[in-house]
Amino acid sequence: AQSVTQLDSQVPVFEEAPVELRCNYSSSVSVYLFWYVQYPNQGLQLLLKYLSGSTLVKGINGFEAEFNKSQTSFHLRKPSVHISDTAEYFCAVRNFGNEKLTFGTGTRLTIIP
Amino acid sequence: EADIYQTPRYLVIGTGKKITLECSQTMGHDKMYWYQQDPGMELHLIHYSYGVNSTEKGDLSSESTVSRIRTEHFPLTLESARPSHTSQYLCASSEGQANTGELFFGEGSRLTVL
Repeated sequence: AQSVTQLDSQVPVFEEAPVELRCNYSSSVSVYLFWYVQYPNQGLQLLLKYLSGSTLVKGINGFEAEFNKSQTSFHLRKPSVHISDTAEYFCAVRNFGNEKLTFGTGTRLTIIP
Repeated sequence: EADIYQTPRYLVIGTGKKITLECSQTMGHDKMYWYQQDPGMELHLIHYSYGVNSTEKGDLSSESTVSRIRTEHFPLTLESARPSHTSQYLCASSEGQANTGELFFGEGSRLTVL
């Protein structure tokens, strides 16, 4: 079975400060990992994904994430946030050979002007 | 820009009413999904389909039903809505082959049952 834990339900950050949103997963096999973003009153859109290869993955809007197999983590980072980054962020995992995507409970990122 | 559409975006109805949430995609994707999303909770998969005339229940038990008569259309129906059905429902799709799990989501249908 696969599972995802997002350790922080809410993260307030000052504008132009760096941010890290934490994600840990549990799986007995190799995985694909994803970060999705949900802006207010909208659906989810893909921010970035790790499939294989380089453990540092770059996504849209200046976000990046690093896959750490030994720590089973896939933390999301941005060096300088903007007001427009205010949203809910979901980490998700999918096992190799499994069709289903399992989501975490989400982290609400609030940018303070 | 996603090519997956959900209607209605918002719906407020009384208990006992029958409702259908519509979902259509223009990407030709074989796989489609319905997720239920409550505040502060993870997204729960309630139904999925891998193609026409194929539907399966997801991880979270739901009293809703779905159908897949056409590739592009995956409606969700509640025969008799109850307040416990109040939630946001998200439709998604993905490619059938070489699928790495990337889902494309609609904007959601927020249902309130009084």
